[in-house]
Amino acid sequence: GESVGLHLPTLSVQEGDNSIINCAYSNSASDYFIWYKQESGKGPQFIIDIRSNMDKRQGQRVTVLLNKTVKHLSLQIAATQPGDSAVYFCAENGMDTGRRALTFGSGTRLQVQP
Amino acid sequence: EPEVTQTPSHQVTQMGQEVILRCVPISNHLYFYWYRQILGQKVEFLVSFYNNEISEKSEIFDDQFSVERPDGSNFTLKIRSTKLEDSAMYFCASSVLPTNEKLFFGSGTQLSVL
Repeated sequence: GESVGLHLPTLSVQEGDNSIINCAYSNSASDYFIWYKQESGKGPQFIIDIRSNMDKRQGQRVTVLLNKTVKHLSLQIAATQPGDSAVYFCAENGMDTGRRALTFGSGTRLQVQP
Repeated sequence: EPEVTQTPSHQVTQMGQEVILRCVPISNHLYFYWYRQILGQKVEFLVSFYNNEISEKSEIFDDQFSVERPDGSNFTLKIRSTKLEDSAMYFCASSVLPTNEKLFFGSGTQLSVL
């Protein structure tokens, strides 16, 4: 069935290092992907998105990479800061199913060590 | 910066009681959503709403659930007869785009059914 999942439940990095959070998806027809950050007690916060006609998109300190061949999505955070500590979710919009609603992955917790 | 606001932040209710969760979407957004997150689980889609009608709903959104936009600013989720398994964090979201892209989420209402 269709699913969006994450490889690692927890990622611990040192402050200043780069972080890479990975996400696998199974719906080959997905054409839109998005990363959200969720801090404790708050709602998901938009980070960056990418369409399937692109393989890379950059934002401020963040880069999303999309590999459609292996159905893999990653979020790279440069110079990770303590404020980046949160749970990160990938989500996809499964257009082929007729459902436009976002399907979320199970999340990766990023812990930034000072 | 405009944001989605939700009230109350916490709601405790007895099983079988009705609850109404309230949301004020971002003012120029036209598409509204409810998602929920059971503790430790994924964020799950409930319903999307546009032009005063439901655009899409999930299997979770059964006859016990309803949504309404009673005026020009509020968007509500009603659970008619709450069950223990309805206990979750409920997130409201809104977007400018109709394709479930770039949803902006509120901070959520933690619903506890006893």
